[in-house]
This record gives sequence, C-alpha cells and structure tokens, in this order.
Amino acid sequence: QQQVKQSPQSLIVQKGGISIINCAYENTAFDYFPWYQQFPGKGPALLIAIRPDVSEKKEGRFTISFNKSAKQFSLHIMDSQPGDSATYFCAASRDNDMRFGAGTRLTVKP
Amino acid sequence: EAGVVQSPRYKIIEKKQPVAFWCNPISGHNTLYWYRQNLGQGPELLIRYENEEAVDDSQLPKDRFSAERLKGVDSTLKIQPAELGDSAVYLCASSLGTDGYTFGSGTRLTVV
Repeated sequence: QQQVKQSPQSLIVQKGGISIINCAYENTAFDYFPWYQQFPGKGPALLIAIRPDVSEKKEGRFTISFNKSAKQFSLHIMDSQPGDSATYFCAASRDNDMRFGAGTRLTVKP
Repeated sequence: EAGVVQSPRYKIIEKKQPVAFWCNPISGHNTLYWYRQNLGQGPELLIRYENEEAVDDSQLPKDRFSAERLKGVDSTLKIQPAELGDSAVYLCASSLGTDGYTFGSGTRLTVV
C-alpha cells in the first residue's frame, strides 16, 4: 500500500526555471514531511523538511508548500541549476516510521 | 564526523547463495533502519531498530532475510538464500530522535 504518492515521475526544466514536485499522503497521523535529494550511486540526503503546523518553509532556493486539509505538499526549486539534476523523494513520517514516495527524476538543461 | 558507513558497495552473487551487508551508523544515533530501494523506486523499510531492539520488522521477508544489531551499534542484514528478485540497493540509515535520517551510500546487490 503506497502511503505517499509523488508526481511527476520525471521532470525536465530549463536552467533558471522553477521545478515543482508534488506529493500527497493518506495517513493524517504523519507529522514530519521531508524531501530528500539523491544523486546516482549515493544514498538520499535530507534537503528540507516541514511540520504540519506551518504552511510554508523556505531554505535558499528550496521551498516546501504544505496543505494540511488537502493532505498535499510540494517542493519548489527556484532558479533551477544543472547541479540540481537528481532524483527527489518526498516522505512522510511519524515516530520514526517514514514512508517514501516513488521519486521524481529532475533534469535541468543548461 | 563520518556518516553512515556501509559495506560492501557492490555485491554480485548467484541465486541461492547467501549474502550479508554491514552498516555502521553515526555515533550516538540510537535508531537504525534498513531500506530496500528497487530501480526507479523510493526506499522501502525492511526493519527499524531502537538501540538493539527490532521495533518494526513487519516488511522483512522473514523466510530468507534476517538482521541483527549487536550492542545497539553496528548492524548486519543477511539474505539466505538470495533470489533474483532481491536485486536492489540496500540502504542503511540512522537517526537521533524523529527527524532527519542520514543514509549511507548503500550496497548494490545483483543476483544472477
């Protein structure tokens, strides 16, 4: 049973553009929503995370938007760069039980 | 500070053979996780340890998979016997508290 649904599967953006990746979750008990970035041959690395008591969190070019009533959250990458090309995973967790989305492969073209 | 260390990085074995993966978590991280990541998919939890106790192993195929975490530090994940469908990347992660897992680079297993 997939508890976190992520879209799109792949995304191609021009350098300088905005990349948007969406996730939806089912379990309302989740209370921590991180995004991970994974480069080939590496493990996922924590990028940014949010808790449901806020609707938005920004760190540099990365922003999470969170809609608790819709059970959806999204990652926005502003001014996308070729170095951002990677696979991005959303996740949702409660009490160390973390479930991941299927991932989005982002390609930023120079 | 060293991150989560996993070995080996790659392993190729014939089906029906045993295989073991090793993980050394970040010092002081009491929670350790083993995930399996199939090609093009997100990580799926196999087992979670709090110190030396396995608190969630509901997704671990217990007929062929086993794991242990001695003294609440290092952990080993074993498959015996391996099947073709076990080919995947096996990721270890650790955390202190409920936020921010740190993953290792994984072991890529190929069963032929």
